[in-house]
Amino acid sequence: RKEVEQDPGPFNVPEGATVAFNCTYSNSASQSFFWYRQDCRKEPKLLMSVYSSGNEDGRFTAQLNRASQYISLLIRDSKLSDSATYLCVVNSYSNDYKLSFGAGTTVTVRA
Amino acid sequence: DAMVIQNPRYQVTQFGKPVTLSCSQTLNHNVMYWYQQKSSQAPKLLFHYYDKDFNNEADTPDNFQSRRPNTSFCFLDIRSPGLGDAAMYLCATSFSFLASGANYQETQYFGPGTRLLVL
Repeated sequence: RKEVEQDPGPFNVPEGATVAFNCTYSNSASQSFFWYRQDCRKEPKLLMSVYSSGNEDGRFTAQLNRASQYISLLIRDSKLSDSATYLCVVNSYSNDYKLSFGAGTTVTVRA
Repeated sequence: DAMVIQNPRYQVTQFGKPVTLSCSQTLNHNVMYWYQQKSSQAPKLLFHYYDKDFNNEADTPDNFQSRRPNTSFCFLDIRSPGLGDAAMYLCATSFSFLASGANYQETQYFGPGTRLLVL
């Protein structure tokens, strides 16, 4: 089983729509959670960290469900510029310094 | 200003011809990573350095080597590239510290990547 699993999508949505997707992780000891955004042929960039109580950054809302071991990302009022692949990233506080990446969920926002 | 710099951005090499990719950082981070990413796949960690300590992933082929001569620079050497090694190679850095007996890692910052083509 992969450490981090995501629905690859693609999620095709019109401008202004709301889109949401989840990511599941297998290591119950995981402590840190992130969403990274990756544009085509570019490097991943941190979109937001995910906190236990859930957090919001503008049109983006992230939630964490430890009991079911998943995190979610919701994008409100989608813009064309939101089209990208969103990578779910998990870190466990242990004797290593590594992140586990999902393969990404592709979102395409159409005019 | 770029904080993690990778050179070259694009590299074309011949099958079996050694190639070196470079990464430099201005963040003074103590951990540097090399990832391989193929199309529609997650970045795959090849190895990382915690300061000067080298940590190889168990499934990283011997064909891949790395050097970190100082805090700012890290190199990825591919000794005999095969067609299957064509990919985007991403360098990343982070700051990691010990607290209460556990290792904590701050955000990883990625360089723009080097896209490798093997002919």
